[in-house]
Amino acid sequence: GNSVTQMEGPVTLSEEAFLTINCTYTATGYPSLFWYVQYPGEGLQLLLKATKADDKGSNKGFEATYRKETTSFHLEKGSVQVSDSAVYFCALGNTGFQKLVFGTGTRLLVSP
Amino acid sequence: AAGVIQSPRHLIKEKRETATLKCYPIPRHDTVYWYQQGPGQDPQFLISFYEKMQSDKGSIPDRFSAQQFSDYHSELNMSSLELGDSALYFCASSYISGGPTDTQYFGPGTRLTVL
Repeated sequence: GNSVTQMEGPVTLSEEAFLTINCTYTATGYPSLFWYVQYPGEGLQLLLKATKADDKGSNKGFEATYRKETTSFHLEKGSVQVSDSAVYFCALGNTGFQKLVFGTGTRLLVSP
Repeated sequence: AAGVIQSPRHLIKEKRETATLKCYPIPRHDTVYWYQQGPGQDPQFLISFYEKMQSDKGSIPDRFSAQQFSDYHSELNMSSLELGDSALYFCASSYISGGPTDTQYFGPGTRLTVL
């Protein structure tokens, strides 16, 4: 079945540091890949997505490239801010109205 | 832009009571999904509806039932509540166009506490 593996957290960085959160997946077919972010006490917000191999999703300075050869969708940001502190979830979904499968989430803590 | 609305935002119940969670999808979205997120865990899929018909089912207990109404809103009914049902319940909606996975947009969640 489909599964997502994320690096464990917390990831602790200083402001303006470079961020990488690793995500690899196992899936049948050609899934779409997503990163969702959850701020403390809030719901899940879509951060970015990619629907096919070699697509790059980007939003608010975050980027992730759909790598079919390595089954990866790593999240990167060149310079993090304190306001980026949150839990980040990698997720995949197949076509149609199929459920999303989430990774376990990675907590990011950014200090001034 | 309009978002997914969930009500109530917080709910406190006693063991063995029942609870009803409501979800109002983004206008023109035809598919609703329910997820359960336990403390410190990732969201787990419960059930989904497309055009008022159940489209997929996950690890939803038999004590839970759900449906989607003619106006596309959905309700999750939970009976004989147990302590382990305490969690954040998310609803998400999407518009199924037949193409690649259509993005699911999540509501703010309902936090259910069972005492």
